[in-house]
Parts: sequence; structure tokens; C-alpha cells
Amino acid sequence: ETGVTQSPTHLIKTRGQQVTLRCSSQSGHNTVSWYQQALGQGPQFIFQYYREEENGRGNFPPRFSGLQFPNYSSELNVNALELDDSALYLCASSQGQGIYGYTFGSGTRLTVV
Amino acid sequence: DQQVKQNSPSLSVQEGRISILNCDYTNSMFDYFLWYKKYPAEGPTFLISISSIKDKNEDGRFTVFLNKSAKHLSLHIVPSQPGDSAVYFCAASKTGNQFYFGTGTSLTVIP
Repeated sequence: ETGVTQSPTHLIKTRGQQVTLRCSSQSGHNTVSWYQQALGQGPQFIFQYYREEENGRGNFPPRFSGLQFPNYSSELNVNALELDDSALYLCASSQGQGIYGYTFGSGTRLTVV
Repeated sequence: DQQVKQNSPSLSVQEGRISILNCDYTNSMFDYFLWYKKYPAEGPTFLISISSIKDKNEDGRFTVFLNKSAKHLSLHIVPSQPGDSAVYFCAASKTGNQFYFGTGTSLTVIP
């Protein structure tokens, strides 16, 4: 079975720009969650998608948005990038909610300059 | 507002001994608790979970203990092996869809 794949692995953007991060879920998983991990911190929940609908959102502004597609792949979009958005963005898939554990991707390292 | 705390940034243990990693939480509504292990340049890997209806869960060398009255959980690794050297995160959730993670404990197992 394939794991979770994220692209790109690294990205440098300028403040004010927009970025799209992509994620392919593990086969058989219908739920995808996105987390932001700043340096030295634990992952912070951004939002979760289940069957293409948002199923929970953390304390992130509306300029963070997402999509889940019928094949359960997903995108995270961030508009009007700020320097503080520099972080590792982790995608995690699960069958249903994550109470039995997520499968995480290796992440996209975003640097905003 | 850090709802899940791991107060020990690092821990060193001799190979073969027990590793005990600790985690405290503030929200008494949390029902699901998970531990993840993370190697450099990789995403976190799920290790073991426990729900609030239990106080212990065991899986091979890994045991998680939950003390609800103290709002404390711990992960025991026995015996510790050099391959266990990684950063360990605890995570907790009320609903199962939003997990709060601690800041991690870096475990080094010395051969």
C-alpha cells in the first residue's frame, strides 16, 4: 500500500504571494487533515476534510483554505503569505477520524521571505 | 494556549533500559490520546493510542498509561533500543478530528 505523498518538498515564496500545497492520501483513506509545524513546536491543526467537506477547523484565518477531491487527494491554499507562515506543512490521512492514528506525509517546508 | 505539554525536551537512556516519556494536558474533555514517533526529514509515525475509558494500553515494547485525575499520560518503552532514538509527540483530542500536539521529547538511546 502507498503512503501519503506531499509535493513540493520545499518551497520559497515572497510575502503577499499565494501558495498551493498538494497531498495524495494513503490508499483506502477517506479523511485528510492538514497541520502546520513551526520550528521547535508540535504540529498545529489547520483543518480536516471528509468526503470533500470541511470537517473541523483550527485557529487559522480564512486565508488558509483547502480542497479534497473525489480521489481523496487534497490541496492546502494559503493566500497573502506572511513571514510567520514559514513552517513545515504536514498532510495526514486516515480512515474516518484520526483516533486510530494518522498516516503522515513527510511534509512541505515553506519559507516566506 | 498550550493544551498538551511535554516538559522534557530531551531524554537519554542506556540501551536495554526503560524509557519513560511524559505528557500533561489541561482539557478534561479530551477522550483520545496518541503517541507518534518522528525521525528527521520524515513525517510523524503513529505508535500507540489510548482512549479515556482505559488506563493502560500495551503493544509490544510500548505501553501507554493514562491518569485522568492527574491529566497525565506516559509512554514506556521496554527495553529501549538504539532505533528508538527519535522525537516523540503526544497528541490529544476531544472529538477525534482535531488533535492537539505537545512540543515533543527527543529520545536518545545510547548503545
